[in-house]
Amino acid sequence: QQPVQSPQAVILREGEDAVINCSSSKALYSVHWYRQKHGEAPVFLMILLKGGEQKGHEKISASFNEKKQQSSLYLTASQLSYSGTYFCGTEDLRTDKLIFGTGTRLQVFP
Amino acid sequence: DTAVSQTPKYLVTQMGNDKSIKCEQNLGHDTMYWYKQDSKKFLKIMFSYNNKELIINETVPNRFSPKSPDKAHLNLHINSLELGDSAVYFCASSLGTGRPHGYTFGSGTRLTVV
Repeated sequence: QQPVQSPQAVILREGEDAVINCSSSKALYSVHWYRQKHGEAPVFLMILLKGGEQKGHEKISASFNEKKQQSSLYLTASQLSYSGTYFCGTEDLRTDKLIFGTGTRLQVFP
Repeated sequence: DTAVSQTPKYLVTQMGNDKSIKCEQNLGHDTMYWYKQDSKKFLKIMFSYNNKELIINETVPNRFSPKSPDKAHLNLHINSLELGDSAVYFCASSLGTGRPHGYTFGSGTRLTVV
């Protein structure tokens, strides 16, 4: 089943922060995060492998709560280049499949 | 030098035709995938190959047939195209199974069936 992301859309001014959440109904092995700009391919941001793990990528970081089957992506001091659609992707141990979430569209304005 | 390349980038064809999309990766990855992105931007996995062997085959019509001649190539052939096949098809690759790795996507093939 497809992970659900919230919110569906976010509008920010440059410099503002945002949080994107990803929830799964299944036990998770890992969580991926990708960003897709309009008309382009999804680009890998980071992967989290363990429950409670946090990772950072410039001003973008993420956490993974294995028990709650949730992950959150944190964007701080947003830049215009952060605009795009963000997807989480979840894998489970049984199937080895990466299932993408419903997507969150982020728009950053000057 | 493009890591994952797909051809063609655009494909416009009539219903009932047969078409192919080609994908090549030069990353030395063992696993390749086909994903379909519909008009609502949902990304759905279709197939996965690991070192030329089919490992994931989602509920996809038999009209879709993937082929992997070697681990660097994964092609997708579609028979008797239907209007509902219109979408963007992405090829992707990752290091391999066993331990999760990030995926590298090709630039996509926008298929329009008229």
